[in-house]
Amino acid sequence: QKEVEQNSGPLSVPEGAIASLNCTYSDRGSQSFFWYRQYSGKSPELIMFIYSNGDKEDGRFTAQLNKASQYVSLLIRDSQPSDSATYLCAVNRPAGGTSYGKLTFGQGTILTVHP
Amino acid sequence: NAGVMQNPRHLVRRRGQEARLRCSPMKGHSHVYWYRQLPEEGLKFMVYLQKENIIDESGMPKERFSAEFPKEGPSILRIQQVVRGDSAAYFCASSGGSDREYFGAGTRLSVL
Repeated sequence: QKEVEQNSGPLSVPEGAIASLNCTYSDRGSQSFFWYRQYSGKSPELIMFIYSNGDKEDGRFTAQLNKASQYVSLLIRDSQPSDSATYLCAVNRPAGGTSYGKLTFGQGTILTVHP
Repeated sequence: NAGVMQNPRHLVRRRGQEARLRCSPMKGHSHVYWYRQLPEEGLKFMVYLQKENIIDESGMPKERFSAEFPKEGPSILRIQQVVRGDSAAYFCASSGGSDREYFGAGTRLSVL
């Protein structure tokens, strides 16, 4: 079982629709959850983070976390062609007695928003 | 530019040569992370450093790879005797006082 798994995609949605990206993780010790966006040939860009169960909204983005189900999701409302990218789910497990640690990434979901 | 700075952006080496990748963290950040992204694969953690200390190197290959973050200057990821399988994008990320990591533009290493 992979530590972090994302829905395989690719995902194609029409402009203006809601894009739903899903992620499950295996390590119950994970405490922080992140979504990164990566355009082709570019570096990952942090777009959302969530620590507590429930929803967190930021503009057109909503992150959802359910620790009991070990499930994280990202909803993108009113999708735009500029949202077309690979979305990476990442989880953080504290290490070395600190609250920080390495990020474990999923394989990514390629999202295409077509006009 | 107060972001994470990596250089060079592109590096070409022949098999058996050494590659040195540099990373200057975002201003005010003291935690540095190195990740590798192989073609068609996800990002994989390599090493986590603070100034003069390696905190977690569980993702580093046991041979040929080393990393440092000296008191002065950038963090260095060193790959000795490169092989074709080392061709990848190497990303550095930094954080400061939180677990949110911000990535540099990366170094694309090509081994001929």
